[in-house]
Amino acid sequence: SQQGEEDPQALSIQEGENATMNCSYKTSINNLQWYRQNSGRGLVHLILIRSNEREKHSGRLRVTLDTSKKSSSLLITASRAADTASYFCATAPAGNMLTFGGGTRLMVKP
Amino acid sequence: DTAVSQTPKYLVTQMGNDKSIKCEQNLGHDTMYWYKQDSKKFLKIMFSYNNKELIINETVPNRFSPKSPDKAHLNLHINSLELGDSAVYFCASSQLGLGGEETQYFGPGTRLLVL
Repeated sequence: SQQGEEDPQALSIQEGENATMNCSYKTSINNLQWYRQNSGRGLVHLILIRSNEREKHSGRLRVTLDTSKKSSSLLITASRAADTASYFCATAPAGNMLTFGGGTRLMVKP
Repeated sequence: DTAVSQTPKYLVTQMGNDKSIKCEQNLGHDTMYWYKQDSKKFLKIMFSYNNKELIINETVPNRFSPKSPDKAHLNLHINSLELGDSAVYFCASSQLGLGGEETQYFGPGTRLLVL
């Protein structure tokens, strides 16, 4: 089973709306990462949040981490059609190799 | 000036064949990885490799073997291809090889179809 699981699996919104994706994981972590994958392309790193951080911002991205609930969320504000992609959370339990969730497929309609 | 590159982009082959996928990174990173992404978009680590250590995901069949001629290259060789090997294979690299402790940089992927 996956260490990280995203919710929802798919999300469709209008341009300008906010998009929120959630990630749950199972074991203790030192940090959690979010990646984006455009259709037919490789993954691109978005943000890394450490276990002692509760919130982190990068441009229109806001990531939260709740280690007590073993969950994280990615918020994209004022979405654009170019944000259409799959978004993955990734963790490395106990310093092991990075493990990805199944991803949330976001579609932003113009 | 591509950071992580893979060849070929597409690979169509018959069952039973042996094939290789090449990966090169020009970032000067110490560690390279191979991932497999299935049709449901699940991404799984296959190997982690630097000049000191090869870490193999125990679920990877021994038909798969990484080969590194130098620090900038990590090729994936697959023997006796099976239908279930059809997937997208991604190469990635990271600076220090700290597993999940640092950002990984991904190549564009190689789409393998086994007929």
